[in-house]
Amino acid sequence: DAEITQSPRHKITETGRQVTLACHQTWNHNNMFWYRQDLGHGLRLIHYSYGVQDTNKGEVSDGYSVSRSNTEDLPLTLESAASSQTSVYFCASSGGSFTGELFFGEGSRLTVL
Amino acid sequence: AQSVAQPEDQVKVAEGNPLTVKCTYSVSGNPYLFWYVQYPNRGLQFLLKYITGDNLVKGSYGFEAEFNKSQTSFHLKKPSALVSDSALYFCAVLGSGAGSYQLTFGKGTKLSVIP
Repeated sequence: DAEITQSPRHKITETGRQVTLACHQTWNHNNMFWYRQDLGHGLRLIHYSYGVQDTNKGEVSDGYSVSRSNTEDLPLTLESAASSQTSVYFCASSGGSFTGELFFGEGSRLTVL
Repeated sequence: AQSVAQPEDQVKVAEGNPLTVKCTYSVSGNPYLFWYVQYPNRGLQFLLKYITGDNLVKGSYGFEAEFNKSQTSFHLKKPSALVSDSALYFCAVLGSGAGSYQLTFGKGTKLSVIP
């Protein structure tokens, strides 16, 4: 079955280190998104991509970057991790023209000490 | 910019009773509205959406939502709650900004169904 997978599911890192969270989908979806989930804030959009070589900033993009070199993957990089980036990160995808229906991964819990 | 508000952080209901999870929205133009559910330690799952047409939208697992344009609301409902409905529910609105479409989520409402 087609799916969307995130790795690692749990990670602990130190302030200042570079961290990359992987997202891989097998639906051949053009649209991919990264959200962070924090208590009291719900989900907030970090970055998104509508296709290969396309990336866009979302609401809370500072300190994060993405690259889209193929259809299946959208890795999220924290260039220099900060304690404020401790969160649960969700990758999501959708096909065709974006209509709001998203398929989410299981999430990656990141702790920055 | 578009936004949604979920006025209740938590809703508790007895099993078998009807449930309502509230959502109000703000968006320019026609609203495209969504409900998602998140079970513990899982990603979000799409429940239902309103694009146009009937104000009562039916979705997965027996859920439905009522769109009310005059009150700018999109409340999630179910006639008879199950313990397995206990989860975190998110309302969302699709809006445009900077030439692209983005889905904006509310802060979520925790639903607890008491046996």
